Amino acid sequence: DAGVTQSPTHLIKTRGQQVTLRCSPISGHKSVSWYQQVLGQGPQFIFQYYEKEERGRGNFPDRFSARQFPNYSSELNVNALLLGDSALYLCASSLAGGGKTQYFGPGTRLLVL
Amino acid sequence: GENVEQHPSTLSVQEGDSAVIKCTYSDSASNYFPWYKQELGKGPQLIIDIRSNVGEKKDQRIAVTLNKTAKHFSLHITETQPEDSAVYFCAAETGANNLFFGTGTRLTVIP
Repeated sequence: DAGVTQSPTHLIKTRGQQVTLRCSPISGHKSVSWYQQVLGQGPQFIFQYYEKEERGRGNFPDRFSARQFPNYSSELNVNALLLGDSALYLCASSLAGGGKTQYFGPGTRLLVL
Repeated sequence: GENVEQHPSTLSVQEGDSAVIKCTYSDSASNYFPWYKQELGKGPQLIIDIRSNVGEKKDQRIAVTLNKTAKHFSLHITETQPEDSAVYFCAAETGANNLFFGTGTRLTVIP
């Protein structure tokens, strides 16, 4: 069975630009969460979506937004990129929200110049 | 919110020895504690998890213990092998599917 897939694998943007990252969950999983991992640190929670609705939001500015589609795939959008947005963006899927095991994808590495 | 602390930040062991990584959490509402292994250039891979109604869980060479009263949990790896070398993260969750991660432990197993 395919695991969580993310695209693209790498991305280079300049300050002020906008970026869209994509995630496909494991088949049958209805919940997707997004995390930001800065080099040398643990992942930090950004969003959780379950059944196409936002169920949780971390301490990130409004420049970050996300959505989930009817097929449970998800997109993370970041507007007005800052140098500090450079990080590995991870998507995790689980069967449902709330205490279910989360399985991570390989991530998208974003570099903002 | 939840705060998870993890120690040590780096750990070197000889092949065949045991490795122990410790984490503490602050929110007594946390009830799910997974451990992830992250290799270079890859996403975190779940290696074992424990829920708050269990004190210990084993899976072959890996075990996790949980002390709810003291709010700490530990990962034990026995008979370490070079392929165990990676960064290990502990995490805690209150039930909202929002994982709070520790800062990671870089484990090096010396052949």
